[in-house]
Amino acid sequence: KNEVEQSPQNLTAQEGEFITINCSYSVGISALHWLQQHPGGGIVSLFMLSSGKKKHGRLIATINIQEKHSSLHITASHPRDSAVYICAVSIVGGSRLTFGEGTQLTVNP
Amino acid sequence: DAGVIQSPRHEVTEMGQEVTLRCKPISGHNSLFWYRQTMMRGLELLIYFNNNVPIDDSGMPEDRFSAKMPNASFSTLKIQPSEPRDSAVYFCASSLAVQTYTQYFGPGTRLTVL
Repeated sequence: KNEVEQSPQNLTAQEGEFITINCSYSVGISALHWLQQHPGGGIVSLFMLSSGKKKHGRLIATINIQEKHSSLHITASHPRDSAVYICAVSIVGGSRLTFGEGTQLTVNP
Repeated sequence: DAGVIQSPRHEVTEMGQEVTLRCKPISGHNSLFWYRQTMMRGLELLIYFNNNVPIDDSGMPEDRFSAKMPNASFSTLKIQPSEPRDSAVYFCASSLAVQTYTQYFGPGTRLTVL
């Protein structure tokens, strides 16, 4: 079993829909990261959080430490949101990032 | 700031050749990370440095891989000799510190070993 698991693996939505991507982890963490990888391959850090909720524009990230679960929400989705979204965790006592397999999101016009 | 800079962006080489990938982190960042991404294994951490010192190289696949950080503004990842299975995208990332700071990724180097 992977230490970080994401669901769904693939997600197709229509423009304007509300999108949720989930991330579960099985280890103690110091922080959880959400990354976005564009079709061209570039990786952008969206959020880093260790508790609660963060919001940036149409993106919202939440984390529940007790349940070892995080969600990434996209409101009013747009075709330009099409990308791979990757969840990664920094494990307590370590420094490396451990990555989920990613969620391929496609938003159709 | 220009962000993390990597060169070359694309590299095609023949099996057995030496390959050197280069990375310039964001000025002021103390931690630098080398990652590899393949379809089969996704993103993997190869090695990371803190204040120019290698901290964890357990992700380096084998002795053919080596990484150096001679100063705070430059790092190299070398593969010698290269093999077709080394074909991947190699990302460099930097952050202010190791654990609880956002990592900023470079554009990556796409390596193809024929």
